[in-house]
Amino acid sequence: DIRMTQSPASLSASLGETVNIECLASEDIYSDLAWYQQKPGKSPQLLIYNANSLQNGVPSRFSGSGSGTQYSLKINSLQSEDVATYFCQQYNNYPNTFGAGTKLELK
Amino acid sequence: QVQLQQSGTELVKPASSVKISCKASGYTFTSNYMHWIRQQPGNGLEWIGWIYPGNGNTKYNQKFDGKATLTADKSSSTAYMQLSSLTSEDSAVYFCAMPRVSGDGFAYWGQGTLVTVSS
Repeated sequence: DIRMTQSPASLSASLGETVNIECLASEDIYSDLAWYQQKPGKSPQLLIYNANSLQNGVPSRFSGSGSGTQYSLKINSLQSEDVATYFCQQYNNYPNTFGAGTKLELK
Repeated sequence: QVQLQQSGTELVKPASSVKISCKASGYTFTSNYMHWIRQQPGNGLEWIGWIYPGNGNTKYNQKFDGKATLTADKSSSTAYMQLSSLTSEDSAVYFCAMPRVSGDGFAYWGQGTLVTVSS
């Protein structure tokens, strides 16, 4: 199975700050990577697919980048509604696998 | 618009089975893969498998072979997952989810079904 190592596990940031979350795959996943946001008691919401494509309706302050084994999610100008847990997912190989998550809180 | 409506909370006994449902609407049910994902309390997400309702084909995460069985009823546009030989380790929220396009990120999710295994 492809292992997805996500960092940091938790993150505290101030409103308006820029935040970066990293995801490292154990092998090349050819940009077959998605990022999700999950709020407590809710289903995950797709933010980014194919490593850098913004899902319809997602604010443009979210962006994704990377290739090969290294990927990142960037949140510009952090808003209060961005407080959530973020997951990466690879869908290049079965079984699809997810990172362990990054819990983002406000400082 | 696409909607995935899951069945409600289940409290079940160890060694029993449970079948949860995911009713789809807003698209052609037979034309997209339906995936199932598990989230244990405080834990991350695990992919269980998919079913293609058009022909009933399935693919499972080897970890869930023998634990999960995926089926679909085209007449009611409903996907099902049966979990068998339940233990406390199976206590989790289970989601159905559908990709944006085949082999892509999951753009559509059900609201989740909480399964609690307890005597």
